[in-house]
Amino acid sequence: EDKVVQSPLSLVVHEGDTVTLNCSYEVTNFRSLLWYKQEKKAPTFLFMLTSCGIEKKSGRLSSILDKKELFSILNITATQTGDSVIYLCANAGGTSYGKLTFGQGTILTVHP
Amino acid sequence: GAGVSQSPSNKVTEKGKDVELRCDPISGHTALYWYRQSLGQGLEFLIYFQGNSAPDKSGLPSDRFSAERTGGSVSTLTIQRTQQEDSAVYLCASRPSRGAGDEQYFGPGTRLTVT
Repeated sequence: EDKVVQSPLSLVVHEGDTVTLNCSYEVTNFRSLLWYKQEKKAPTFLFMLTSCGIEKKSGRLSSILDKKELFSILNITATQTGDSVIYLCANAGGTSYGKLTFGQGTILTVHP
Repeated sequence: GAGVSQSPSNKVTEKGKDVELRCDPISGHTALYWYRQSLGQGLEFLIYFQGNSAPDKSGLPSDRFSAERTGGSVSTLTIQRTQQEDSAVYLCASRPSRGAGDEQYFGPGTRLTVT
């Protein structure tokens, strides 16, 4: 059974800190690893990673995939209070095309 | 352009009643997914529609759950004889086509509360 595990489940930091969120996965027929953020109800797409070792970057957020060790990390530098949302990791693969298997999410809280 | 829309945004129902949740995907997107998110949990896959192919229903938790997609566009998720454990946020997502990337675009969800 496909599985995605995120850690930590929650994290509290102060503005300006750098955080690293972890995602490990087990999946058959791996195609991609995706990161979303969830502020209220609708997850918003951040990154899709398919290649090992190639960093994706958007502003203060960056992510990288290790297909050998089956994990990905999401880094956020110079955190702001607006970064206080849930970060979701998902894996696309398995036997159902396009189905995403999600981790439990990491709740990030950034204090002023 | 317009994103994925869902209705209603909130639904409170009594145990045992049937409910219908609606999803309008992004125009032109051929793939449509339903997920469920219980409190403090990640998203749980329910069902997947791709064009005119038979849907993948492998995630539906019981036979009280069903979904249809009419005309390759709008989808309705129906829960019959609702139970308290059905209380969750139901999220719909769409994706352009089979050859497109794996990123899915989510609607705002319907929060279902069964009392």
